Amino acid sequence: GDSVTQMEGPVTLSEEAFLTINCTYTATGYPSLFWYVQYPGEGLQLLLKATKADDKGSNKGFEATYRKETTSFHLEKGSVQVSDSAVYFCALSDRNGGYNKLIFGAGTRLAVHP
Amino acid sequence: DTAVSQTPKYLVTQMGNDKSIKCEQNLGHDTMYWYKQDSKKFLKIMFSYNNKELIINETVPNRFSPKSPDKAHLNLHINSLELGDSAVYFCASSPLRTGGPYEQYFGPGTRLTVT
Repeated sequence: GDSVTQMEGPVTLSEEAFLTINCTYTATGYPSLFWYVQYPGEGLQLLLKATKADDKGSNKGFEATYRKETTSFHLEKGSVQVSDSAVYFCALSDRNGGYNKLIFGAGTRLAVHP
Repeated sequence: DTAVSQTPKYLVTQMGNDKSIKCEQNLGHDTMYWYKQDSKKFLKIMFSYNNKELIINETVPNRFSPKSPDKAHLNLHINSLELGDSAVYFCASSPLRTGGPYEQYFGPGTRLTVT
């Protein structure tokens, strides 16, 4: 079945460092891809999305490009802030008979220090 | 205005009890979901309803029974609670449309602790 693999955390960075969180997927069709963020004690928020190959999703300085040839959707940010500390989830949308369910990676915890 | 809301936020109960979690969305979406997040933060879908009809039912013990009185509400009832049911339960909703991108909007979660 479809699956998502994320790099294990925690990822610990200093403020203003460059961030990459790797995400690869396996899917039988052409899924949509997402990054969600979960701040401590909160629910999941959609960070960015991409629906087809070579699409680039971006939001709040974060970017990810849908790479079909490498089945990847890596999350990047040029300069992280302490407020970016959270758990980041890569997910794909499995269109099960026309309806969708999200299949999540295991999550990557990011800790940013001043 | 809260888009997807859940009650209660915290639920502590004893083994063997029956409890319910409520979810409401005011986004006008057709589809709602329940996800379970375990202690290691792993998220897995449990159920999905579209316009009050069950469309996704993953391998979940039949002690868990979702109920959708209308398309804005999806409740989760759990019978005979077990220690392993302790988790955070998230409700989500999404519009139903062809093409995509099928993003889902999540509620704040309900932390269930079974003692």
